[in-house]
Amino acid sequence: GAGVSQSPSNKVTEKGKDVELRCDPISGHTALYWYRQSLGQGLEFLIYFQGNSAPDKSGLPSDRFSAERTGGSVSTLTIQRTQQEDSAVYLCASSLESTSGRNTQYFGPGTRLTVL
Amino acid sequence: AQKITQTQPGMFVQEKEAVTLDCTYDTSDPSYGLFWYKQPSSGEMIFLIYQGSYDQQNATEGRYSLNFQKARKSANLVISASQLGDSAMYFCAMREGSSNDYKLSFGAGTTVTVRA
Repeated sequence: GAGVSQSPSNKVTEKGKDVELRCDPISGHTALYWYRQSLGQGLEFLIYFQGNSAPDKSGLPSDRFSAERTGGSVSTLTIQRTQQEDSAVYLCASSLESTSGRNTQYFGPGTRLTVL
Repeated sequence: AQKITQTQPGMFVQEKEAVTLDCTYDTSDPSYGLFWYKQPSSGEMIFLIYQGSYDQQNATEGRYSLNFQKARKSANLVISASQLGDSAMYFCAMREGSSNDYKLSFGAGTTVTVRA
């Protein structure tokens, strides 16, 4: 079946603009995760959803970052007033559900965000 | 404190030889899962293998095997019979389970280059 998809694959924006990144999880996966991968910080967890709920948003780096998930499927990560330090690859992953340690997270191809 | 440590930034291996990638972890949680992912230059994170803390046997998946030494808190990945397509970045990750902690903590990664 289809894997996790993300769009756009690349996004170049100017400092101060808002961006939206989209993630479409594997069908039937109820848990969805956002991570950020940057040269200086490695892979950082941002937020996860179980269904449409985001029980813990503490990984979001600032209040300029927000995420939502509708219909237990597609998720959007929004970054407002982008800064140059937001430049990174944003990775989305999904799994069957979040509470079992065995459930594997499957990743999408990522969105490479460049803030000029 | 770092939860996952990968001490080898880069490794070279000859085609058809085996290579071992080191990973040590730090947790006080008795229930946890360890994952290895491969990230080729295309950017997508590909799941390779999983080891649960209570698993009695070392995990194997095709040419991938995990040398799990619980007392030493190490989970080294062994790739046998290396192929040119194995050239990629490899990440070790951990998920701590008993508190329904859902996120993966990643190591810094090891770049593997397979030489013909």
